[in-house]
Amino acid sequence: ETGVTQTPRHLVMGMTNKKSLKCEQHLGHNAMYWYKQSAKKPLELMFVYSLEERVENNSVPSRFSPECPNSSHLFLHLHTLQPEDSALYLCASSRSHRVEETQYFGPGTRLLVL
Amino acid sequence: QKEVEQNSGPLSVPEGAIASLNCTYSDRGSQSFFWYRQYSGKSPELIMFIYSNGDKEDGRFTAQLNKASQYVSLLIRDSQPSDSATYLCAVSGGTSYGKLTFGQGTILTVHP
Repeated sequence: ETGVTQTPRHLVMGMTNKKSLKCEQHLGHNAMYWYKQSAKKPLELMFVYSLEERVENNSVPSRFSPECPNSSHLFLHLHTLQPEDSALYLCASSRSHRVEETQYFGPGTRLLVL
Repeated sequence: QKEVEQNSGPLSVPEGAIASLNCTYSDRGSQSFFWYRQYSGKSPELIMFIYSNGDKEDGRFTAQLNKASQYVSLLIRDSQPSDSATYLCAVSGGTSYGKLTFGQGTILTVHP
């Protein structure tokens, strides 16, 4: 499989559940990102990892916990979410986290919190 | 003031016309500018990027950058119904090194 893949594609969870989103990139990139896309709002950057180290944490609530075990994989662990966390969660990757690098997006996980 | 502003539209143009999409940004130190296209229910895909003032052409698409006016635009020539999508302007650099900041997107509809 090529590009950036994400699983699951859809997820419904209760506020007391714990779940994880997975992202994998097959592009040989060194930087990976989590974005949140809510209805009628711009894409919001959540986390940036470069060579498995977190370089940006964009004031995200602690109920979202990222993990980057290697440069090809990125996880977003979810616990005690709120209904307003329902959104499309997009993973992206780039060669590095330098400003000029193009980011390539995965298909996203559509999350519904009940 | 929003960091990256776009007219949300919808912008409606007839098939074969030129569609003009505009974007302004607030961080004067921004260095890299990207246009992404997002079809409904899909993830964003890169259309073009531009770093230097002036025009950059790629097929039917032309990106225009004016750093003095903090303005970037995307022109789509010979618009097709398949171009109907939301176009996202994204800006990187300046005070947010490595961070890509997106506008809200402009909905474009190309009608036959």
